[in-house]
Parts: sequence; C-alpha cells; structure tokens
Amino acid sequence: EAAVTQSPRNKVAVTGGKVTLSCNQTNNHNNMYWYRQDTGHGLRLIHYSYGAGSTEKGDIPDGYKASRPSQENFSLILELATPSQTSVYFCASGDAGDWGSAETLYFGSGTRLTVL
Amino acid sequence: GEQVEQRPPHLSVREGDSAIIICTYTDSATAYFSWYKQEAGAGLQLLMSVLSNVDRKEEQGLTVLLNKKDKRLSLNLTAAHPGDSAVYFCAVTVSRYNVLYFGSGTKLTVEP
Repeated sequence: EAAVTQSPRNKVAVTGGKVTLSCNQTNNHNNMYWYRQDTGHGLRLIHYSYGAGSTEKGDIPDGYKASRPSQENFSLILELATPSQTSVYFCASGDAGDWGSAETLYFGSGTRLTVL
Repeated sequence: GEQVEQRPPHLSVREGDSAIIICTYTDSATAYFSWYKQEAGAGLQLLMSVLSNVDRKEEQGLTVLLNKKDKRLSLNLTAAHPGDSAVYFCAVTVSRYNVLYFGSGTKLTVEP
C-alpha cells in the first residue's frame, strides 16, 4: 500500500513567522506534489518535484518555497506566513503507471494550517 | 491553461438513488481523465481513470462518461449508499507527463 505521511497534522502560526510542512513517502515515486485545498477552489498546485534536488513551480507558488532533499522527503516552506495562507495542505506522490493511464496520485492526510 | 469546472458543489440523494457529478474542461488536447474521492479528514484516493479514446467506463457501481465534443466528463454513482458520502473531484491532464488539474469538488451526502 502506497504511503504518504505529512507532519504536522495541525499547525497554528503567527503572521510573519516561518512554517515548514513536511512530507515523507515510502512509495519510491519520483514525482511529489504540494496542493492547498480551499472551499470553492478545490485543489491548487503550489510546487512539485520530479526527483531529489528538483523543484518546480505550480499554479500558485508565490509565498512558498519547496525543498526535495531526497526521494522520500518533500517540504513546503512559508518563509513569512500570512493569514491568506490559512488552508489545508496536501502532499502527494505520483506513480506514472503504464502507458494507458494517467499518473495516479497518492495523497497524505493533510495539514491544517492556521495563520493568525 | 486548463480550466476545470465541476458541478454541483453540493449534492444530496437518498440511498438507492443515482448521483451524477459533471466536470467541463477547456483544453481540447486533454487526454487523461480521473475521478478521486475524499473521505472526511483524509486525502484523496483514485476511483477511476479513463483515456480520451473511451466514451464510457463502468466499475463497481460507478459509470464515467466522456463527451469530447462538449468537453464534458461525468461520474454516475448508481444506487448510492451512505458509505459513498464524501467529496468527489475530477482531475484532467493533457498527457501522463503533465500535472493534473482538479475540479473544485462535489460534496455528496447519501441519506439512509
């Protein structure tokens, strides 16, 4: 069974503070993703990675940095947190599978971040 | 870029009824289509994927219909039961090497 673990599950931060969200996968997948989920917007892609050492900007990267130090770990960093970054954040790893299917994403359980 | 619209945002049905969720997309090159389910407090899980050369796919009480002319994808849960209550998302992409674009989600409630 594919396993993606996020930490922490819940986080309260202050405006201007630094926040690091961590994600670990044991699937040996090359691709990893960070999404945020907000009511009315569904899932929006923040950053993604094709493998250790690589990070790519998604659709809403402003205010976020990402780090992929190893195949297993992918972090999302908010250097200066703002209340607009209050959201639920999901990490996922991707299995490209065979030629006849789209990539299947395996999601963690999410991190609920509140920025006061 | 790709724009995906999903409706309805909320859907309530009685046990045994059908529930239909619809997504429309904008990029005619879109070739891969998926549906994900999110149960309360959890991440998303893949339900079913189809390619653009498939008009209809059925699996375990779920039917996915693809209308490429209208750029419309639908998910039909036949004979829904309370365990189907969750948030459902469509996801599309132009190729297996491109990122997925998700719809905004449909919260389905199946009442006994």
